[in-house]
Amino acid sequence: EPEVTQTPSHQVTQMGQEVILRCVPISNHLYFYWYRQILGQKVEFLVSFYNNEISEKSEIFDDQFSVERPDGSNFTLKIRSTKLEDSAMYFCASRTSGRTGELFFGEGSRLTVL
Amino acid sequence: AQSVTQLDSHVSVSEGTPVLLRCNYSSSYSPSLFWYVQHPNKGLQLLLKYTSAATLVKGINGFEAEFKKSETSFHLTKPSAHMSDAAEYFCVVSVPNSGYSTLTFGKGTMLLVSP
Repeated sequence: EPEVTQTPSHQVTQMGQEVILRCVPISNHLYFYWYRQILGQKVEFLVSFYNNEISEKSEIFDDQFSVERPDGSNFTLKIRSTKLEDSAMYFCASRTSGRTGELFFGEGSRLTVL
Repeated sequence: AQSVTQLDSHVSVSEGTPVLLRCNYSSSYSPSLFWYVQHPNKGLQLLLKYTSAATLVKGINGFEAEFKKSETSFHLTKPSAHMSDAAEYFCVVSVPNSGYSTLTFGKGTMLLVSP
């Protein structure tokens, strides 16, 4: 069964360092998303991406964040200069149709900022 | 704006007894509603979804949910709990926004199943 894969599963970094989280969406999917879940809090929407550009982003997704689809398979989330409050589980998701198609999530990348 | 409230952070049941996980939503539009499940160290898996068709929705693993517009609820039920149902469950609302739907998650309900 096709699945969304994320790497790394867990990353520990020092405050101020750059982090790149990688995702391989399901191959025929067209819409890509990043969500995050800070420990003990809700899963929050960060950004959606379609046709090689950001289609929507939340208030959380400030200038420290960027997304990229560098080739036909990977979808990356970059945090330019990490802060303690960026520590969270980051979920990548993808889907086919744009409005009510099922979102398929990866297993998440846990980021710990020290 | 839309929001989701999951009324219980934890629910404990015995194996073989019914499960009820409660969810209320708020939305200015006709929402799509979902239940996702997350097992430990696993990704979020879709259990079922409501997208303005039948109000009683059947999902995987024997779960179902009923959309009640008058009560703005979308409670998840299962007649008989199994040990493998122990996980965290998220009620989610999706509303079209600028042509693309994004998901708003509830805080989650941890389901504990005892033998």
